[in-house]
Amino acid sequence: GAGVSQSPSNKVTEKGKDVELRCDPISGHTALYWYRQSLGQGLEFLIYFQGNSAPDKSGLPSDRFSAERTGGSVSTLTIQRTQQEDSAVYLCASSLAAGGQYEQYFGPGTRLTVT
Amino acid sequence: GNSVTQMEGPVTLSEEAFLTINCTYTATGYPSLFWYVQYPGEGLQLLLKATKADDKGSNKGFEATYRKETTSFHLEKGSVQVSDSAVYFCALSDPTSGTYKYIFGTGTRLKVLA
Repeated sequence: GAGVSQSPSNKVTEKGKDVELRCDPISGHTALYWYRQSLGQGLEFLIYFQGNSAPDKSGLPSDRFSAERTGGSVSTLTIQRTQQEDSAVYLCASSLAAGGQYEQYFGPGTRLTVT
Repeated sequence: GNSVTQMEGPVTLSEEAFLTINCTYTATGYPSLFWYVQYPGEGLQLLLKATKADDKGSNKGFEATYRKETTSFHLEKGSVQVSDSAVYFCALSDPTSGTYKYIFGTGTRLKVLA
């Protein structure tokens, strides 16, 4: 079946611009996660959505970052006023539910380069 | 807080050599443990997992045993192939937050030479 998809695969933007990154999780998966993979910080958690519950935003690095999940499916991560330190690969993952027995399935990522 | 410590890479081996990549963790509660692999130019793929102490995860010749007494989840393979060249990530699923978000190790790059 279809896996997690993300778009765009690559994004180059100028410092100060806003960007939107999209994630389509696996159909039927209620839990959705965003992570960031960067050279300096490794893989770090950003935000989590589960059904209609309030998201866990504890990993967002600044208030320039926000995300939403519409209809319990597609999610969009928005970065406002991008900075060079935002350059990274942004990964989306989904799982059937939130629980230790459920593995997360990762998308291919969006490589963001801020010039 | 919860954390994962993974051996530094890169690890370079000859084909058919034995592989061990060390992973230890610090956790409150009872996390599930995972190994993910990232092949060049590809996304993260689950390699194996273990959800409780003494469980052994295995896949594609790789194995790892959840050792609560040593808080470890070392990855092993008896005979590596060139196609195993990739970056390997150890991760735990954090049960304390209610989100079960992953906490990852820094990754270990493996290069297998023919």
